[in-house]
Amino acid sequence: EVQLVQSGVEVKKPGESLRISCKGSGYSFSTHWIAWVRQTPGKGLEWMGVIHPGDADTRYSPSFQGQVTISADKSISTAYLQWTSLKASDTAMYYCARQDGDYEDFWGQGTLVTVSS
Amino acid sequence: QSVLTQPPSASGTPGQRVTISCSGDSSNIGTNTVNWYQQLPGTAPKVLIHSNNQRPSGVPDRFSGSKSGTSASLAISGLQSEDEADYYCAAWDDSLNGRVFGGGTKLTVL
Repeated sequence: EVQLVQSGVEVKKPGESLRISCKGSGYSFSTHWIAWVRQTPGKGLEWMGVIHPGDADTRYSPSFQGQVTISADKSISTAYLQWTSLKASDTAMYYCARQDGDYEDFWGQGTLVTVSS
Repeated sequence: QSVLTQPPSASGTPGQRVTISCSGDSSNIGTNTVNWYQQLPGTAPKVLIHSNNQRPSGVPDRFSGSKSGTSASLAISGLQSEDEADYYCAAWDDSLNGRVFGGGTKLTVL
């Protein structure tokens, strides 16, 4: 059974750094792209970027380029989303999702990130 | 403001057929396939339709998708109370070089 399990709730202060994770199981992690999607009440779903764990090829949405870093460690079947300096506007639910061709077929349960002073 | 345009809300009574529209342009829906996702309250999105009209295994055939030009539609027939959820369309955008989503449609079963 394909599963993506994300790390838990995070509460951070503005300016702090953060890395959240997404661990895949039940399939060959290196062969499928992993996407990160942000969800906020005001802006709905936003595609942030995608990584191919097999060769670390990474693509970013122009809206998120330079704001976050997407990485993966195929040896432990885990993808990451990282910030160096959080802002209040980064408060959101973040999902990872496996891409199968042209769609996201399996999603993680989501990681809620709250940034507040 | 989302790149793809959906009505913010839709409603129907049990047993009815409802449709949800999704409008884009030549760089997204006009060129690439459309996917639909269902998000039940408090859960992650789940793919309902991919490649314009393909249902993954386990998705009831009450759900169907279509595409014409730069627009797409999701139809739900035999509406059930458990269909109450948010529905999102999505497509690849060649200009932005990324996936774009609609703003979501909240479906209420009256």
